[in-house]
Amino acid sequence: EAEVAQSPRYKITEKSQAVAFWCDPISGHATLYWYRQILGQGPELLVQFQDESVVDDSQLPKDRFSAERLKGVDSTLKIQPAELGDSAMYLCASSLGGLPTYEQYFGPGTRLTVT
Amino acid sequence: TQLLEQSPQFLSIQEGENLTVYCNSSSVFSSLQWYRQEPGEGPVLLVTVVTGGEVKKLKRLTFQFGDARKDSSLHITAAQPGDTGLYLCAATKAAGNKLTFGGGTRVLVKP
Repeated sequence: EAEVAQSPRYKITEKSQAVAFWCDPISGHATLYWYRQILGQGPELLVQFQDESVVDDSQLPKDRFSAERLKGVDSTLKIQPAELGDSAMYLCASSLGGLPTYEQYFGPGTRLTVT
Repeated sequence: TQLLEQSPQFLSIQEGENLTVYCNSSSVFSSLQWYRQEPGEGPVLLVTVVTGGEVKKLKRLTFQFGDARKDSSLHITAAQPGDTGLYLCAATKAAGNKLTFGGGTRVLVKP
């Protein structure tokens, strides 16, 4: 069964360092999402891609976060510099399309700890 | 204040008992989804409801969408330890397509 792949699964970094997460969506899925989930809360959308284009990054802290999906397939989310408050689970999801009727499939996430 | 309020935040029950978790909002939604998330994993979709008053059953799980499409409930009959997890509701507003999640209900079913 096709799955969304994410790496690394766990990352510990010191504040002010740079960190990057990678996501490989299910083959053929045009829409890719990055979510942040703080412990004890639900996921919050950071950025949504349709193919290689950003369609929603309204909740992405653009002073330190960046995301790209250059060829419209896999994607990278970067944080520079990392802050203590960035400690969270970063989830990637993909779907066939961007409409809510399409099911989003989530990867296992990257748990980030900033010390 | 979260757009979707889930209650209770935490629920601990014995195997075989029933439980209900709630998802409430003051907004009207075009569709609402329930997910279950296990520790260290991403959420997995359980069901999508789109019609006010709709009831869907998935084995021992019963999902209901309120008549006004502002609230939903998830009822589990005869809970099992395998039902342990974080239950999340997520909804899409009629005017847009962004999926907004509630804060989740953490369920622990003890053997």
